[in-house]
Amino acid sequence: SQTIHQWPATLVQPVGSPLSLECTVEGTSNPNLYWYRQAAGRGLQLLFYSVGIGQISSEVPQNLSASRPQDRQFILSSKKLLLSDSGFYLCAWSAGGERNTIYFGEGSWLTVV
Amino acid sequence: AQRVTQPEKLLSVFKGAPVELKCNYSYSGSPELFWYVQYSRQRLQLLLRHISRESIKGFTADLNKGETSFHLKKPFAQEEDSAMYYCALSGTTGANNLFFGTGTRLTVIP
Repeated sequence: SQTIHQWPATLVQPVGSPLSLECTVEGTSNPNLYWYRQAAGRGLQLLFYSVGIGQISSEVPQNLSASRPQDRQFILSSKKLLLSDSGFYLCAWSAGGERNTIYFGEGSWLTVV
Repeated sequence: AQRVTQPEKLLSVFKGAPVELKCNYSYSGSPELFWYVQYSRQRLQLLLRHISRESIKGFTADLNKGETSFHLKKPFAQEEDSAMYYCALSGTTGANNLFFGTGTRLTVIP
C-alpha cells in the first residue's frame, strides 16, 4: 500500500534561518506531489505541485521554493525564513493524471520566531 | 478564478440532530467537488467526492450547479463526527490541484 511521510513534525526556527521540510512517498511511482500551507485562521493553500522529477509549479509568489530530486521525494525550502512563513505545512500525493484522490501526510508545524 | 467558501467556521449540534455543513464554490468550468475531514490527531483524509454519489459514514453531498453549492449532510449526527471538515474543488487545469475552503469545525454535543 502507499504511504506518505513528512518531517520534521514540528520546527521552531529564527527569522532569517533556512528551512527544509522533506516528504517521501512509498508504494507508488510517478505520483503528483503537492505542498499545501494552512496559516492561522485560513484555509489550505496550494503552494507547489509537481508532475515529475525536476518539474515544479508554483501557485503563489512567496519566500519558499520546492524541489523534486527523486520521483518520490518532495522538498520545501527557504533560504531566509520570515515571520509570515509560520504555519502548518502539508505534503500530499495523488496518482498521475487529473482528478485523482489526494492523500495527505501528517503535516509539519513551523513556527518562525 | 476558482473559490470555495465555507461560511461557518464553527458548528455545534446535538447528538442525533441533523447536520449540514455549507459549501459554495465559484468556478467557470466543470468542477469536481470533494469533502475532506480531519479527525483529532489524524491526518486529513478524503470523505467523499461528488462523482461517486455515495454515502460515507452516513454523510451525503449533492452538487447543485444552479446554486453552485456542495453542502454536506447527515440526518443524525454522532459524537465521532466531531472533526474539521474541508470542502475542496478540483478544476480542469493543472495537475489535479485542489482548492480548499477555510474549513468548518463540527462539534457534536452528547
